[in-house]
Amino acid sequence: EPEVTQTPSHQVTQMGQEVILRCVPISNHLYFYWYRQILGQKVEFLVSFYNNEISEKSEIFDDQFSVERPDGSNFTLKIRSTKLEDSAMYFCASSEGQGTGELFFGEGSRLTVL
Amino acid sequence: GESVGLHLPTLSVQEGDNSIINCAYSNSASDYFIWYKQESGKGPQFIIDIRSNMDKRQGQRVTVLLNKTVKHLSLQIAATQPGDSAVYFCAENRYYGGSQGNLIFGKGTKLSVKP
Repeated sequence: EPEVTQTPSHQVTQMGQEVILRCVPISNHLYFYWYRQILGQKVEFLVSFYNNEISEKSEIFDDQFSVERPDGSNFTLKIRSTKLEDSAMYFCASSEGQGTGELFFGEGSRLTVL
Repeated sequence: GESVGLHLPTLSVQEGDNSIINCAYSNSASDYFIWYKQESGKGPQFIIDIRSNMDKRQGQRVTVLLNKTVKHLSLQIAATQPGDSAVYFCAENRYYGGSQGNLIFGKGTKLSVKP
């Protein structure tokens, strides 16, 4: 069964460092997303991406964050200068079409900022 | 404030019993709701969705009920199994100015199934 894969599974970084989280969405999906989940809390929407551009973003997704689809398969989330409060599980997801709530999530990348 | 939330943080049921997980929402304009399951150490997994033109939808062993009058939805799991142990989130589709809509998750209910 096709799945969304994410790397790394866990990254530890120092405050102020740049981090890139990588995702390979399901191959025939057209919409890509990043969500995050601070430990023990709810899943929060960050950004959605379609047709090589951001289609929606939340207030969390500030200038520190950027997304990119550098090639036909990868989808990345970059955090420019990490803060302690960026520590969370970051989930990539993809979906086939627009307006569907059926997102396929990866297993997440845990980011720990020291 | 919180738009989508759950009534109980934990629910413990006996294997074989039915489970009911509740969710309340505050935005009367919300028109699309989704239930997700998250097992420990994994990403959320889609279970079932419902649009506001329906009040009930059934899947395999799961039923979602939507009461728009009181802004409440529930997920019913029939004959709960140990594999159903997980955190269950309700989510609504929200628009940030675009046309696509994105998911706003509630806080989650942890379901524990006792053998």
